[in-house]
Amino acid sequence: KAGVTQTPRYLIKTRGQQVTLSCSPISGHRSVSWYQQTPGQGLQFLFEYFSETQRNKGNFPGRFSGRQFSNSRSEMNVSTLELGDSALYLCASSVLLGNEQFFGPGTRLTVL
Amino acid sequence: EDQVTQSPEALRLQEGESSSLNCSYTVSGLRGLFWYRQDPGKGPEFLFTLYSAGEEKEKERLKATLTKKESFLHITAPKPEDSATYLCAVQRRDSGYSTLTFGKGTMLLVSP
Repeated sequence: KAGVTQTPRYLIKTRGQQVTLSCSPISGHRSVSWYQQTPGQGLQFLFEYFSETQRNKGNFPGRFSGRQFSNSRSEMNVSTLELGDSALYLCASSVLLGNEQFFGPGTRLTVL
Repeated sequence: EDQVTQSPEALRLQEGESSSLNCSYTVSGLRGLFWYRQDPGKGPEFLFTLYSAGEEKEKERLKATLTKKESFLHITAPKPEDSATYLCAVQRRDSGYSTLTFGKGTMLLVSP
C-alpha cells in the first residue's frame, strides 16, 4: 500500500511570494492533517481536514490556509512568505478522526 | 493547553547499552499517546499508540509504557540503526478531531 505522498519535496521561494503544497493520503484515509516542523519549535499543528471540512486549526496567521478535495487529497497555501516560514511541512493521514496518523516525507520550504 | 515534555533532549549510547526515554504530558482527557521515530530529512514513522495507564507495547528492541502522567520508551540492547529522533505526542479525547500535540523529541545516537 502506498504511503502518504507530498509534492514538491523541495521548494525555494523569496519573501512576499506565495506557495502551494500538495498531499495525497494513503488510499482509504479520509482525515488529513498538516504540521510545520522547525528546529526551534518542533512539530506544530496547522490544520486538520475530514470529509472536505476543516475540523481544527492551529495558532498560525491567516496567511496559512488549506483545503481538502472530495478524493481526500489536500493542499495548503502560504501567502506573502516570510523568512520565518522556512520549515519542513508535513502532511499526515488517518483512516478516520482519532486514529493513528501516518506521515509523508514532507516538503522542505526555504524562503530567501 | 496540552503540553508534552521529553527528556533528555539528546542521548548517546554504546551499542548494547539499554536506556529509557521519558515523555511527560498534561492533557485534559487523554485519548491516546503516540510514539514516532524520525530519521533526518524524513517524516515521522509511527511506532506505538498507548491508550490507558498500565498499557505496554513492544516492537523489536523497543517497549513503550504509560502512566497517568508520563510514558517511557525503553530501548533494550540498542543497535546503531536505532539512532534517530524519537517523538512523543498526545491526542485529546472527545475533541472531535485528531490533532496531535508533540514534544520536541529525544535525539538518540547509538555508537558501535
